[in-house]
Amino acid sequence: DAKTTQPPSMDCAEGRAANLPCNHSTISGNEYVYWYRQIHSQGPQYIIHGLKNNETNEMASLIITEDRKSSTLILPHATLRDTAVYYCIVRGANQAGTALIFGKGTTLSVSS
Amino acid sequence: DTGVSQDPRHKITKRGQNVTFRCDPISEHNRLYWYRQTLGQGPEFLTYFQNEAQLEKSRLLSDRFSAERPKGSFSTLEIQRTEQGDSAMYLCATEFNFGYTFGSGTRLTVV
Repeated sequence: DAKTTQPPSMDCAEGRAANLPCNHSTISGNEYVYWYRQIHSQGPQYIIHGLKNNETNEMASLIITEDRKSSTLILPHATLRDTAVYYCIVRGANQAGTALIFGKGTTLSVSS
Repeated sequence: DTGVSQDPRHKITKRGQNVTFRCDPISEHNRLYWYRQTLGQGPEFLTYFQNEAQLEKSRLLSDRFSAERPKGSFSTLEIQRTEQGDSAMYLCATEFNFGYTFGSGTRLTVV
């Protein structure tokens, strides 16, 4: 089973920041938080991952709370093309070769 | 184009027929995964290959399902005696360092 909890859906206005929350209260010390998104009729796409520190790349920012029990994915200026299902996943650092376990994710709807 | 190719993109088959899907991974990625996704659900893990060795199989992978990865390159997923419950998107993903790269999937419809 997925070790994360996400709201089923969220709305965001185009151009505004989209903040997607994720709870992972049972996360272990060596587990990373990964975010993927899936646009309709495509395979999931890697966005970002982090362990303790906040991370930023060209797609998004990841904010992880100090106790690591929750995190927030931030899309700073959402566009219509960001409409997708967003999945938050935890995975151990030494678990290359183990399956990512997906939950149902958050469906983000960006509107103009 | 993610670099992971899946063929065909769509397949409609009659119940009871056999189907085979192909995945061509990014060449330097030695870890390959198969997932199944039904409507409204996240992808569910089916099986994993490290090079040509099939190292893990989910209990979802019934004995009607078989996967191969000869020579550690492309992979095939075969479903024998298809059932309506097999209708789903079948996704292939490869892994290198961190993060998966998924293909666009094969959508199977069993009628």
